[in-house]
Amino acid sequence: GDSVTQTEGLVTVTEGLPVKLNCTYQTTYLTIAFFWYVQYLNEAPQVLLKSSTDNKRTEHQGFHATLHKSSSSFHLQKSSAQLSDSALYYCALSESPGYQNFYFGKGTSLTVIP
Amino acid sequence: NAGVIQTPRHKVTGKGQEATLWCEPISGHSAVFWYRQTIVQGLEFLTYFRNQAPIDDSGMPKERFSAQMPNQSHSTLKIQSTQPQDSAVYLCASSLDKGLGAFNYAEQFFGPGTRLTVL
Repeated sequence: GDSVTQTEGLVTVTEGLPVKLNCTYQTTYLTIAFFWYVQYLNEAPQVLLKSSTDNKRTEHQGFHATLHKSSSSFHLQKSSAQLSDSALYYCALSESPGYQNFYFGKGTSLTVIP
Repeated sequence: NAGVIQTPRHKVTGKGQEATLWCEPISGHSAVFWYRQTIVQGLEFLTYFRNQAPIDDSGMPKERFSAQMPNQSHSTLKIQSTQPQDSAVYLCASSLDKGLGAFNYAEQFFGPGTRLTVL
């Protein structure tokens, strides 16, 4: 079955340095979409980025990700981490437009230190 | 437009007691999802309704967990005979049938969750 694998556990990065959170997947579907969700402390998860187009960079709030079907990846990156980026990040796969359920990775907790 | 509403925000039960968690999806959304969130397991899918009908309950522990959606405006997750290992944040999410505009994949919108603590 389908699966999503993320950089697991805790990632700590110094403010101002780049950050990359990995997300890879396995699926038999050809038309797929990916979402990166961010969850700040005591808040609901919310969509940070989404994409369904192969090899097209998508950006939001300084973060960017590119869906690469050739390598089955949708890594999340930011060139300069901010203290406010400290949060829990989830990668999620949607198999097809008409199928509403997602496959979530286990999440990565990002801590940005001064 | 209010987001997904979950009540209560916190619930403490004794071992063996019953817990009922409530979710009000965003008006007009056809799908409702329940997840359990823990530090160790992350987001675990529990169950999913579409137009009030149960579609997939493959993540539900069969013996003590049950979910219902009696009408389009609310869903409940009931845990009977709660155990300490049930302690977690229970998240509800809702979505449209499909996305809007050019991106036609439906996004799930999450509620703030109910933190269940079983003593």
